[in-house]
Amino acid sequence: AQSVTQPDIHITVSEGASLELRCNYSYGATPYLFWYVQSPGQGLQLLLKYFSGDTLVQGIKGFEAEFKRSQSSFNLRKPSVHWSDAAEYFCAVGERSKLIFGAGTRLAVHP
Amino acid sequence: KAGVTQTPRYLIKTRGQQVTLSCSPISGHRSVSWYQQTPGQGLQFLFEYFSETQRNKGNFPGRFSGRQFSNSRSEMNVSTLELGDSALYLCASSLLGTHEKLFFGSGTQLSVL
Repeated sequence: AQSVTQPDIHITVSEGASLELRCNYSYGATPYLFWYVQSPGQGLQLLLKYFSGDTLVQGIKGFEAEFKRSQSSFNLRKPSVHWSDAAEYFCAVGERSKLIFGAGTRLAVHP
Repeated sequence: KAGVTQTPRYLIKTRGQQVTLSCSPISGHRSVSWYQQTPGQGLQFLFEYFSETQRNKGNFPGRFSGRQFSNSRSEMNVSTLELGDSALYLCASSLLGTHEKLFFGSGTQLSVL
């Protein structure tokens, strides 16, 4: 069965530091991969997605992610974190018309 | 363009009751999906409707049902509520619903007492 693993439940970084959130997936075919962000009391917002082509994907808010088939990973990165990036981040894989989400990583940003 | 609208925002029910949640998708979107979010189970897919037809269903008991109207608005119903049904229910819409960008509403927070 398809699954998504986000190994880090909580991450704390200082404002201005770089960020990498890990995501590993289990999927038989070429996956459709997504990163969503959820602020407290809000729905989810798409940061970026990978379907095919260039394995380095650029998203909104300065985020990027790299698809590595050999490692079954799709890690999210940002070179310099802002206090407003504090939120919960979800990696997901698309299967038919549904998304299978990871458990999420909660990001805290220290000033 | 208005976003995805979910009503009500908060709901408190007691065990055994039933509840209906509503979702109005972005204008022109024909696909509506529903997800349940809980601290223990995370985000889980409930079902997806496209042009009034259920196209996909998650692993939830038959107490959870939904429908979509001709104007693409969708409702989900939970009958015989259990304490474990307490969750944030999120609705998402998209044009076609196949691996494309989903637009999520802010959700309905359901508390079952």
